[in-house]
Amino acid sequence: AQKITQTQPGMFVQEKEAVTLDCTYDTSDQSYGLFWYKQPSSGEMIFLIYQGSYDEQNATEGRYSLNFQKARKSANLVISASQLGDSAMYFCAMREGLPGGSYIPTFGRGTSLIVHP
Amino acid sequence: DAGITQSPRHKVTETGTPVTLRCHQTENHRYMYWYRQDPGHGLRLIHYSYGVKDTDKGEVSDGYSVSRSKTEDFLLTLESATSSQTSVYFCAISESGTAITNYGYTFGSGTRLTVV
Repeated sequence: AQKITQTQPGMFVQEKEAVTLDCTYDTSDQSYGLFWYKQPSSGEMIFLIYQGSYDEQNATEGRYSLNFQKARKSANLVISASQLGDSAMYFCAMREGLPGGSYIPTFGRGTSLIVHP
Repeated sequence: DAGITQSPRHKVTETGTPVTLRCHQTENHRYMYWYRQDPGHGLRLIHYSYGVKDTDKGEVSDGYSVSRSKTEDFLLTLESATSSQTSVYFCAISESGTAITNYGYTFGSGTRLTVV
């Protein structure tokens, strides 16, 4: 079973509108971290936002917010007031602990977002 | 100035030849990771390192080996390249911490490898 599921291979949004990118995760740990990364067509991976499993408030970073619903195991990314430069691949990731004491992230398959003018 | 660099950026190699990709960091971070990115699969972990000479396998480690003889360098070797290893390879680094510590991952620019 996938640890990170992004069910939307592609999404379209009109410029200046808000868009939600879905992410669900699977873990039995109580302590974990959730991330979103953006990958524009140039290929670099850009960190957007982080949410810890014990954080009670949803994380926000500028126009990005993470809608964290712990009971549903979802960590959706909300982009407000979309801009043309938001067109990119978006990856959700989760970090959890391994039996040996390391912590590694697992990434979803990504959602391609296209912003229309 | 990037704290992490990958070399080469592009490489074309023939089936059956060994290939080594290099990841170099100047951040003194403990953890280093190698991922491959393929359409429809996202990023999949190949190997990771949690210290000098301390490495472990990831999800897709078959056909790959790694070495970390010093903190700043993490090498990925394709022992005998196959066409299925044509991909974009990313290196990433991170500090130490726990699952919930607020630290992220810094990625290199990627290496596009084509095996013909």
